[in-house]
Amino acid sequence: GENVEQHPSTLSVQEGDSAVIKCTYSDSASNYFPWYKQELGKGPQLIIDIRSNVGEKKDQRIAVTLNKTAKHFSLHITETQPEDSAVYFCAAPDTGRRALTFGSGTRLQVQP
Amino acid sequence: DAGVTQSPTHLIKTRGQHVTLRCSPISGHKSVSWYQQVLGQGPQFIFQYYEKEERGRGNFPDRFSARQFPNYSSELNVNALLLGDSALYLCASSFNDARDNSPLHFGNGTRLTVT
Repeated sequence: GENVEQHPSTLSVQEGDSAVIKCTYSDSASNYFPWYKQELGKGPQLIIDIRSNVGEKKDQRIAVTLNKTAKHFSLHITETQPEDSAVYFCAAPDTGRRALTFGSGTRLQVQP
Repeated sequence: DAGVTQSPTHLIKTRGQHVTLRCSPISGHKSVSWYQQVLGQGPQFIFQYYEKEERGRGNFPDRFSARQFPNYSSELNVNALLLGDSALYLCASSFNDARDNSPLHFGNGTRLTVT
């Protein structure tokens, strides 16, 4: 099955700074990489995803990059705001089980 | 439009009891998946259903079972509850089968506490 590693586990930045979260995956056949944001008491919310036919995707202050050769992908948040504070999860497909395998999460805290 | 809805939001059960959790997918979505999230960890896959058939199963004991109804809603059943079953149970829906990498949209979960 797929193995996804995520780091850092915690990240504290000042408001307005950028934040980067990195993930690696093990299955070279994986071709879809979503990122989720989970706020306290809520379920994970899909914030951006990327498929293996592109190397980068942007949506306003959020971007994701993918390096299939190295089997890693990253989430970039620019101009961070206090409302960006949450736990972020990366994921990759476990094609054998028709499921997503999630990373262990990154707790992002944006200091005002 | 309503997102994925789950009921109940919280539940307290005693060891040995059974529990049924319910999920209604986003309108038009035909696939439902169930995940277990233990505090401080990422969600772990339990089941995936598409068009009322089980299409995927994670590494969970037979005490866990699920089904999908003709209206695409779903139930997760857990028998003989153990303390270790205490977790947030998440339901997610997608338009297509999981093998198509259709984006998963999660509900807010059911918080199960086993005492």
